Amino acid sequence: DGGITQSPKYLFRKEGQNVTLSCEQNLNHDAMYWYRQDPGQGLRLIYYSQIVNDFQKGDIAEGYSVSREKKESFPLTVTSAQKNPTAFYLCASSWGGVPDNEQFFGPGTRLTVL
Amino acid sequence: KQEVTQIPAALSVPEGENLVLNCSFTDSAIYNLQWFRQDPGKGLTSLLLIQSSQREQTSGRLNASLDKSSGRSTLYIAASQPGDSATYLCAVGKAAGNKLTFGGGTRVLVKP
Repeated sequence: DGGITQSPKYLFRKEGQNVTLSCEQNLNHDAMYWYRQDPGQGLRLIYYSQIVNDFQKGDIAEGYSVSREKKESFPLTVTSAQKNPTAFYLCASSWGGVPDNEQFFGPGTRLTVL
Repeated sequence: KQEVTQIPAALSVPEGENLVLNCSFTDSAIYNLQWFRQDPGKGLTSLLLIQSSQREQTSGRLNASLDKSSGRSTLYIAASQPGDSATYLCAVGKAAGNKLTFGGGTRVLVKP
């Protein structure tokens, strides 16, 4: 089955810790995205990557970092510099960074800071 | 800066009634508009994608229209069912990087 997987489903972080969220896709998509969703709100773009070894900041990149070493993988690290990391994190992918392409989403990771 | 608004934030209808969900955006220079469904605690499921050159898209009981000049899109769901209960999100895409800007969503409850 083709799709996007995210792990873990739930993640708990202590103050001052860095944590990494996994996103893998087997759709052969070139572009991948990370979004954050807060309760009752829409999604906001954190980072996106249109091709391997390249990525750009989205609207709320501060306190986050990413890498894109493989086409199928786009991990997101939430650093201790992120002041309010508790949220639902969603990864997406599309055929390319061109405007006509539909984005498909993974099941999400819920991060809670203890 | 593009802003996307969905009103109302919540909607409750009896089963069988048609649903009308609204999405408005401030910058008409969009490349596409996508409608998504989200169940509680889950990821997003893509429902319809409308390209900027299109006026509408249809899939089964779903029909979405797009009026770029007025900055509006409407999602129609015919003959609603309890299984249609979910949050519906619209998002507009712009050229560079196909980045999406999302509305806050409309939470729909269809009562049996």
